[in-house]
Amino acid sequence: QSALTQPPSASGSLGQSVTISCTGTSNDVGGYNFVSWYQQHPGKAPKLMIYEVTKRPSGVPDRFSGSKSGNTASLTVSGLQPEDEADYYCNSAAGSSTWVFGGGTKLTVL
Amino acid sequence: EVQLVESGGGLAQPGGSLRLSCAASGFTLSDYEMTWVRQAPGKGLEWVSYISISGRTINYADSVKGRFTISRDEAKNSLYLQMNSLRGEDTAIYYCARDGGRDGYHWAFDYWGQGTLVTVSS
Repeated sequence: QSALTQPPSASGSLGQSVTISCTGTSNDVGGYNFVSWYQQHPGKAPKLMIYEVTKRPSGVPDRFSGSKSGNTASLTVSGLQPEDEADYYCNSAAGSSTWVFGGGTKLTVL
Repeated sequence: EVQLVESGGGLAQPGGSLRLSCAASGFTLSDYEMTWVRQAPGKGLEWVSYISISGRTINYADSVKGRFTISRDEAKNSLYLQMNSLRGEDTAIYYCARDGGRDGYHWAFDYWGQGTLVTVSS
């Protein structure tokens, strides 16, 4: 149950795009198409942004998109807005009804 | 409206116990898989425990196995986490979260409570 690897920080200018990576193993990210991403603003509960690698829940802007290649998943935020500044966590199924989170990435909008 | 409200956090001594509760409204808790997730101060999220719809499948992170117990009360529409033999590293905000599989959000947590803070210190 080792945490997935995310960069501690990422940044992009207003209106530009940024991609956050999430690297695991064949026992989690690489083995299942059940990667999700969560946005967390300071002092708030996490919010589901992407599920099943690429799908967006209703109400999440289409500026948010997800992908996966091998053992690495990615979250791309296009057209960065001030409200996108937050911590982002990836999560993956890890078999037998267990999950593993990434260490989190602090996204700064310049 | 779906809501999850945690309670029961507070200060506990090392080796002590606490019982967290998560009251659900706007849906029937026993119709969904449920989890507990924690977040140490200034740190990332950590999955802690899971209970299936039937209640027959229960899993724990290695870090809490043998010390924590997840359970559910259908009559009270509530989820619980009994935490025994507490350690300093258990200090965290504890969130209950709903697995949205029944609504198509497979293996993802679609609703979260606001969290309850557990501090383990002498």
